[in-house]
Parts: sequence; C-alpha cells; structure tokens
Amino acid sequence: NAGVTQTPKFQVLKTGQSMTLQCAQDMNHEYMSWYRQDPGMGLRLIHYSVGAGITDQGEVPNGYNVSRSTTEDFPLRLLSAAPSQTSVYFCASSSDRAEAFFGQGTRLTVV
Amino acid sequence: AQRVTQPEKLLSVFKGAPVELKCNYSYSGSPELFWYVQYSRQRLQLLLRHISRESIKGFTADLNKGETSFHLKKPFAQEEDSAMYYCALIGGSNYKLTFGKGTLLTVNP
Repeated sequence: NAGVTQTPKFQVLKTGQSMTLQCAQDMNHEYMSWYRQDPGMGLRLIHYSVGAGITDQGEVPNGYNVSRSTTEDFPLRLLSAAPSQTSVYFCASSSDRAEAFFGQGTRLTVV
Repeated sequence: AQRVTQPEKLLSVFKGAPVELKCNYSYSGSPELFWYVQYSRQRLQLLLRHISRESIKGFTADLNKGETSFHLKKPFAQEEDSAMYYCALIGGSNYKLTFGKGTLLTVNP
C-alpha cells in the first residue's frame, strides 16, 4: 500500500510562476486536504474535499486552487507564486473522522 | 469555531524524566482529539486519539472536558521521543482537522 503520495518533494519557483503539487491516495478515502507548515504556525488548512467534485476553502486559501475529479487525486495549484507561499506543503486523506494519513511533504521555495 | 492551543513551542527534558505536552481546545460540542507526531525528516503520523484510550510508545492522553484539555504524558522520556508533537481536533459533523502550532520536544541524554 502506497498510502498518500506527494510529488514533487522539492521545488524552487520564481515569483509569478505557476505549478501544481500532486497528491494521490490509494485507500479509497473520501476526505482529502492540503496543509501548509510554517515555523511557529503549525499546520494550517488550505483547501479540503469531502469527495469527488466537492471542494471547500480552509483557513488560508488565497493564492491556491484545487479540484477533485477522482477519489484518488487532489492536486493543489499555485497560479502565480509569491515568496509568502514558501513553505512545506502536506496532503492528507482520511475516512469517517478516523486517522488522517499524510504524504511526505513538498518543500517549496519561491524566490 | 474550533481552536487548539499548545502553549509551549519548545520543551526540553532529560532522558528518564517525566514529560507532559499541554493541549487546550475550544469547541462548544463534543470534539474528537488527536495527537500527531513528526519525527525528523518523516511525515506526520498519528500517535493517539482520545476515543482509543490506549497507550502508544508509553504515551497517554486523557480528555478533560471540564478543563477542555488533552495533555500528552509519558512517565519516562526516551531520546527517540524527540520530535514535533501536534494536538489536533475534529468537531461537528465535518472531517476538518484543526491543528495546534506544535511543541518541539527534545530529550537530552
């Protein structure tokens, strides 16, 4: 079982560039979410989805878009990267308020 | 609104000493509380959830609804316990997991 897989692990972007962070899970979980982890700030929820075709905003959604066309995939798009988006991004999936499984993280630097 | 507060950013203890990582929450209903741990260069993983009422790696946590707390305790800390610990909450009928800001535990030899 692969669990939750995120790609890439590392990325450097120039200000204004766009990119997509990929997240896939093979556990048939209905709930998926994206967090960013910043020093002293903990994990903050960016966007989440309760099933295919359904997404909603979390605590810090500005500058990010998501879509959920399948149960397995939940990509996170940065349309125009800014230095403030330098962070470590984690994708997670869970089922029925149970344990959340996390990906290994994507370390993004925007210069 | 749901909120989780971890008052200590850093906690340093010696090996063999007791350790307590504090967590307080704000939620009007009956929440589900979790402790997640992130070891160096590893992904976050579940350590404990309150409904399990089990001890994992010697850690326990009791939900105190009166004090709205879910402190994590271990009687004898080990060096391998050094990690970042996050308290988290799910409230209501949704799946949203709200995290505290985390406590970095260092266990010194």
